[in-house]
Amino acid sequence: AIRMTQSPSSFSASTGDRVTITCRASQDISNYLAWYQQRPGKAPKVLIYAASTLQSGVPSRFSGSGSGTDFTLTISFLQSEDFATYYCQNYYSYPWTFGQGTRVEVK
Amino acid sequence: EVQVVESGGGLVQPGGSLRLSCVGSGFSFGSFWMTWVRQAPGKGLEWLATIKYDGSAKSYVDSVKGRFTVSRDNVKNSLFLEMNNLRGDDGGVYYCARIEQQVVHFYLAVWGKGTTVTVSS
Repeated sequence: AIRMTQSPSSFSASTGDRVTITCRASQDISNYLAWYQQRPGKAPKVLIYAASTLQSGVPSRFSGSGSGTDFTLTISFLQSEDFATYYCQNYYSYPWTFGQGTRVEVK
Repeated sequence: EVQVVESGGGLVQPGGSLRLSCVGSGFSFGSFWMTWVRQAPGKGLEWLATIKYDGSAKSYVDSVKGRFTVSRDNVKNSLFLEMNNLRGDDGGVYYCARIEQQVVHFYLAVWGKGTTVTVSS
């Protein structure tokens, strides 16, 4: 199975900050990567697919980049509703695998 | 409104069985691949199984192969997860999700609120 490793596992930030989360795949997955946001007690929500395509309705402050094994999710101007946990997910091959999650906390 | 709603969770003893259901509404259920994802308490997301829109193809994570079976009834707009020989580490919130396909890209676009499974004696 392809292992997805996110970094950092958690960090503190303030509203207005630019934040970057990285995700590394254990092998080349081209751009078969999605990012999800999960707020406490809620179901996940897709933000980005194909590594860099913004899902309809998702604010443009979210962006994704990368290909192959290294990917990033960037939030350009952190808003209060963005404090949540973020997961990357590989769908290059089965089994689909998620990263362990990155929790963005209030500083 | 496009939505999926899970049901069937509950308390079950180790070694027991449970059948989860997921009903889709607001969309043409039989046109979409569907999937199950779970989340153990305080842990991350784990993909479990995916089924093709017509039920002709299924994939599972190794940890549930031979114990869990995914199926669907497109007439009833329903997805199922039959879980047998349950273990303590099978507990958590089980999410049903509708998969969106954009050419070769598959992503989990519509999620339910989840149903909780507790495995304990």
